[in-house]
Amino acid sequence: KQEVTQIPAALSVPEGENLVLNCSFTDSAIYNLQWFRQDPGKGLTSLLLIQSSQREQTSGRLNASLDKSSGRSTLYIAASQPGDSATYLCAVGTGYSTLTFGKGTMLLVSP
Amino acid sequence: EPEVTQTPSHQVTQMGQEVILRCVPISNHLYFYWYRQILGQKVEFLVSFYNNEISEKSEIFDDQFSVERPDGSNFTLKIRSTKLEDSAMYFCASRKVDSSYNEQFFGPGTRLTVL
Repeated sequence: KQEVTQIPAALSVPEGENLVLNCSFTDSAIYNLQWFRQDPGKGLTSLLLIQSSQREQTSGRLNASLDKSSGRSTLYIAASQPGDSATYLCAVGTGYSTLTFGKGTMLLVSP
Repeated sequence: EPEVTQTPSHQVTQMGQEVILRCVPISNHLYFYWYRQILGQKVEFLVSFYNNEISEKSEIFDDQFSVERPDGSNFTLKIRSTKLEDSAMYFCASRKVDSSYNEQFFGPGTRLTVL
């Protein structure tokens, strides 16, 4: 059974810092990996999707990498801003692309 | 930009009552999903649906749950007899049928509170 772990569970940084969020998964036979943002009490906003054949994807200040063989993905956020404060979820796609989620990293960026 | 919508945003019900949660997926998407998130816990997969039938379901999705696409736009999740432990945020998601790009798009969720 696929298990997804995210570390750290929480992270607090001053504005402007570059930061890395980590995601690991136990079964490397994945379809894809998706990073989401979740604001308190809200839905999930898709940030980046990496197909299993890809190594990384970039969108603006976000860069996600995937190392399938070692079961790891990282989300790099450059020049963090207070508006980046949210919980970031990593989800691994398997089967009919059903997603298995990690518990998330709660990020707080202070001005 | 097209988006997944869900109604109601918040549903309060008594234990043992039936509830129906509604979703309108993105119009050209053909794969549909329900997930749930109990407060403070991970988002969990419930069921996937394609071509008018269930493709995959988790062990959470027991006989109390059912899904339906009653018309060309709506996708519903029914809980027949709600329990206290069904209290959670329920998310609907959809995606295109395209092996080269299978990003799932999520709705804003329905918060279900069972009293």
